[in-house]
Amino acid sequence: SAVISQKPSRDICQRGTSLTIQCQVDSQVTMMFWYRQQPGQSLTLIATANQGSEATYESGFVIDKFPISRPNLTFSTLTVSNMSPEDSSIYLCSAMTGGLGYTFGSGTRLTVV
Amino acid sequence: GIQVEQSPPDLILQEGANSTLRCNFSDSVNNLQWFHQNPWGQLINLFYIPSGTKQNGRLSATTVATERYSLLYISSSQTTDSGVYFCAVPVTGGFKTIFGAGTRLFVKA
Repeated sequence: SAVISQKPSRDICQRGTSLTIQCQVDSQVTMMFWYRQQPGQSLTLIATANQGSEATYESGFVIDKFPISRPNLTFSTLTVSNMSPEDSSIYLCSAMTGGLGYTFGSGTRLTVV
Repeated sequence: GIQVEQSPPDLILQEGANSTLRCNFSDSVNNLQWFHQNPWGQLINLFYIPSGTKQNGRLSATTVATERYSLLYISSSQTTDSGVYFCAVPVTGGFKTIFGAGTRLFVKA
């Protein structure tokens, strides 16, 4: 299966600032997915990113807060904008690769102070 | 939408013990995955198992799609097995994946 490289692995940010998370897949994939995992919780899907079109956001998530780019079939970014302490979470990207289910990046552990 | 329930929510084992984790889902699915999230937050794909049984070392998984459940077996547990185990299934008719709440496992030395 494919490998997804995600960075940064962790960051501590000031409230009101923005952070962009990058994911690089070592093969072309049609769809990429972005998840949020709040402390002690399960994973919640933020949005689905297709190349060449706007991302599709899940209920409770909006583009102004979590803008996503998908410039090609191997790369995507998620920006967490105007951060507050409530945005402190692990953010993960994912893609279906090789017909054997979904593979995940290593995650970005974000702390907002 | 589809519901995914995992049990037990928490599990403490003595090293060397065996355990069974369960995942129930409310609708028919065409695939199911088990993941292990280690203490550093990394999500490791354990099994892609839409049906039948698979084994990988001390771990095995069985999915009975007609009865809408899957089981993950951990034998001779080790401290490195600690973490959270998630099952995940696709939303009916789509590509999105829904995660269960997870089973938090702690293996004592």
